[in-house]
Amino acid sequence: TQLLEQSPQFLSIQEGENLTVYCNSSSVFSSLQWYRQEPGEGPVLLVTVVTGGEVKKLKRLTFQFGDARKDSSLHITAAQPGDTGLYLCAGAQAVTGNQFYFGTGTSLTVIP
Amino acid sequence: NAGVTQTPKFRVLKTGQSMTLLCAQDMNHEYMYWYRQDPGMGLRLIHYSVGEGTTAKGEVPDGYNVSRLKKQNFLLGLESAAPSQTSVYFCASGLGQMGLKNTEAFFGQGTRLTVV
Repeated sequence: TQLLEQSPQFLSIQEGENLTVYCNSSSVFSSLQWYRQEPGEGPVLLVTVVTGGEVKKLKRLTFQFGDARKDSSLHITAAQPGDTGLYLCAGAQAVTGNQFYFGTGTSLTVIP
Repeated sequence: NAGVTQTPKFRVLKTGQSMTLLCAQDMNHEYMYWYRQDPGMGLRLIHYSVGEGTTAKGEVPDGYNVSRLKKQNFLLGLESAAPSQTSVYFCASGLGQMGLKNTEAFFGQGTRLTVV
């Protein structure tokens, strides 16, 4: 059982559509990060959120940290083919002294 | 800008063989990490180091050993490879503990290892 479960696991959408990816846990996190990984490359950090209820925007990407700091979401508006990739959430678990765990990943394909 | 460099990029091993994966970073980072990535499981931490000469176990350390003799290098060893160690291995480095605010970790391009 993974500490951070992401849904959906796979997502294929048309260019211009909106989408939301979810990252859920039963554990509380001190901070939560989102990464994007392209084929053949390592993950690249997109954002870090540390406060319950925090919302951060990065151009067409909106990240939200749940009020209880147990979950997070990534919303992409008007998806583009360049958004294609594997999206990973990751968090520092509060109860274990901020041990860091990655989520199961969401593979996004945006079709032109 | 080399960043984090992993060698080799691909390798096929026979069961029982040994090998060492090398990670080199040129950013003067204290923290270095080795992860493995398997489908549907995200990245799992194998071992990490908080500075030259130090190493610690992560989530899935069995079957692996590491060494950090120089600050810029972090080596991952497989003494007797098993098919269950078929995976993509990623090295990462950062100034501070991964996940903390204002601390970004930088990843290498990965090593795809197949054990037959």
